[in-house]
Amino acid sequence: KAGVTQTPRYLIKTRGQQVTLSCSPISGHRSVSWYQQTPGQGLQFLFEYFSETQRNKGNFPGRFSGRQFSNSRSEMNVSTLELGDSALYLCASSPPTGPPGTGELFFGEGSRLTVL
Amino acid sequence: AQSVTQLDSHVSVSEGTPVLLRCNYSSSYSPSLFWYVQHPNKGLQLLLKYTSAATLVKGINGFEAEFKKSETSFHLTKPSAHMSDAAEYFCVVSDPLNAGGTSYGKLTFGQGTILTVHP
Repeated sequence: KAGVTQTPRYLIKTRGQQVTLSCSPISGHRSVSWYQQTPGQGLQFLFEYFSETQRNKGNFPGRFSGRQFSNSRSEMNVSTLELGDSALYLCASSPPTGPPGTGELFFGEGSRLTVL
Repeated sequence: AQSVTQLDSHVSVSEGTPVLLRCNYSSSYSPSLFWYVQHPNKGLQLLLKYTSAATLVKGINGFEAEFKKSETSFHLTKPSAHMSDAAEYFCVVSDPLNAGGTSYGKLTFGQGTILTVHP
């Protein structure tokens, strides 16, 4: 079974631009979560989608947004990029088993964004 | 609110010696606890998880962790380190659904412990 796939793996943008990152979850997984990883702040939760609905959101500004499609694939978008948005963005999917908060998240290898 | 503190940012051991990575958590509910590992330029992989069953949890690659509610700790151990264990390890807490629906997809990560294994 293929794992979580994230594209692109690396990208460079300049301040003020916007970026869209894509995530394909493991087949059968309907929940997709996004995380930002930086050396200073560590891993921080961005948002979670299930059946095309955002169910949970972390403490990030409105420049960070996401969506999920009917095939469970997800995208996240960051508008008006700032230098501090440089990070590894990780997507994770989880199967529909067990109570929320108890199950394993399966992570992709991430999209590394550099903002110049 | 939940939080996780990993007590050591770096741990260095010799190959064949025991590994101890320390983690304390804070949660208003009965949490689920996890240890994830991240190798360089890779995503995160689950080592083991505790979800209110046995307090001693065995994971992959010989790792195990013990949940101690009285100490709010969930330390990760391995009897004998291998060179391939060198990586960054994250202790993670997740509150259950009765925390008001705020647990969907949300894991709270510690700051990570970098494990170095010397030959």
